[in-house]
Amino acid sequence: KQEVTQIPAALSVPEGENLVLNCSFTDSAIYNLQWFRQDPGKGLTSLLLIQSSQREQTSGRLNASLDKSSGRSTLYIAASQPGDSATYLCAAPNSGNTPLVFGKGTRLSVIA
Amino acid sequence: GAVVSQHPSRVICKSGTSVKIECRSLDFQATTMFWYRQFPKQSLMLMATSNEGSKATYEQGVEKDKFLINHASLTLSTLTVTSAHPEDSSFYICSARVEGPGNTIYFGEGSWLTVV
Repeated sequence: KQEVTQIPAALSVPEGENLVLNCSFTDSAIYNLQWFRQDPGKGLTSLLLIQSSQREQTSGRLNASLDKSSGRSTLYIAASQPGDSATYLCAAPNSGNTPLVFGKGTRLSVIA
Repeated sequence: GAVVSQHPSRVICKSGTSVKIECRSLDFQATTMFWYRQFPKQSLMLMATSNEGSKATYEQGVEKDKFLINHASLTLSTLTVTSAHPEDSSFYICSARVEGPGNTIYFGEGSWLTVV
C-alpha cells in the first residue's frame, strides 16, 4: 500500500527566499503525482500534476520534479511571497492510477 | 476545466441525526468518485471509493453502515453520515476522476461538518 511522506512538516522562511519541499512515496509504480495547496479551512487547489513519463512540471514560480526510481518528488518555490503561506500536500496514487494517497503536508509560512 | 461541486459547504447538526453531503461532477461523467476526511491539522484520509451503479469500497476502519455512500448516477455521489456524533465533526472532501488520457482527478470544495 502506498505511503507518502513529506519533509519538513513545517517551514518558515523570509520573503524572497527560494525553497524546496520534499515528498517521498513507497510504491514507484505510479501513474502520476500531484502537488496541492490548502489554505486554512479551505479545500484543495491543484498546483502541478506530473505524469509518470515526465520528470518535471513548471507553473510560474513553481517547479515540481519526479524521480520514480528513487520514489521522490520535490516542489521548488522561487522568490517566495507571503501569499504563498499555506499547507502544501503531495499525493500519489495507491496503485497505478487512483485513488490518491496524501502526505501529511508541509505548513509553509513566508514572513514579510 | 472540469469542476466538482460539493454541497453543503458547511453544516451543523445535532448529535444522533443524519446528514447528507453531495458531490457532483458538473461538466463530465465520473464512474468513480472518492470520499476523504480530514481532521484538524491532519492530512486527507481516504474513506471510500464510490462506484457508479455498485457498492462503494470502504477503507479499513471506516464503518460502511455509518457512512453511507450512494453513487446513483454518473454525476452524483452522496455521503450520508448516520447517527452523527461529535467525533464525526470533520472536513469531508470528494474527488472525481475524469476518464481518459491522464486520468486527472478533480476535488470538490469540501464540506465542514460540525456535530453538536
